[in-house]
Amino acid sequence: AQSVTQPDIHITVSEGASLELRCNYSYGATPYLFWYVQSPGQGLQLLLKYFSGDTLVQGIKGFEAEFKRSQSSFNLRKPSVHWSDAAEYFCAVGLLNSGNTPLVFGKGTRLSVIA
Amino acid sequence: DGGITQSPKYLFRKEGQNVTLSCEQNLNHDAMYWYRQDPGQGLRLIYYSQIVNDFQKGDIAEGYSVSREKKESFPLTVTSAQKNPTAFYLCASSIAPGAGETQYFGPGTRLLVL
Repeated sequence: AQSVTQPDIHITVSEGASLELRCNYSYGATPYLFWYVQSPGQGLQLLLKYFSGDTLVQGIKGFEAEFKRSQSSFNLRKPSVHWSDAAEYFCAVGLLNSGNTPLVFGKGTRLSVIA
Repeated sequence: DGGITQSPKYLFRKEGQNVTLSCEQNLNHDAMYWYRQDPGQGLRLIYYSQIVNDFQKGDIAEGYSVSREKKESFPLTVTSAQKNPTAFYLCASSIAPGAGETQYFGPGTRLLVL
């Protein structure tokens, strides 16, 4: 079955440290790939997305993600985390040539930032 | 400002009662979506609509109903058949239906059972 996996339920990093959040998918073809962020009690905000072309994608708030076809991964990175980055992060995929099937979301990774 | 509004922010339901969650968008988007969010479960799709007067069931449609009579509105009714309705409900929209379309989210409604 097609799926999106975020292996880490909760990650804690120190402010100023680097961050990498993992996302893996199991689809036969290259999907559309998205990362969203959700602050507590709020809706989701798009950080970045990948459709084709350059496999390193830049997003808002200093985030970037790299698509690796060989690993079926789309990991999110930030070189220096700020306390305001504490939130939940969701990876989502959309299937090419799937008609109008909506995005499929991973279960999320909660990021805590400590001083 | 363009965006998606959801009301109310908090909603309380009594046993056996139907309640309706509002979702309105002024983005002129064709497609709209309803998700349920539970801790540790991520987002699960309840219903989606690709165009006015049309909607499809998502993964967890049982106990819910929707309508799409206007392009800008996609209300969700949580019926008494939904035995565990306590959750955070998110509405989203996209310019067009399709797997490559970015979804834009409202602020959510938290439903609690009394």
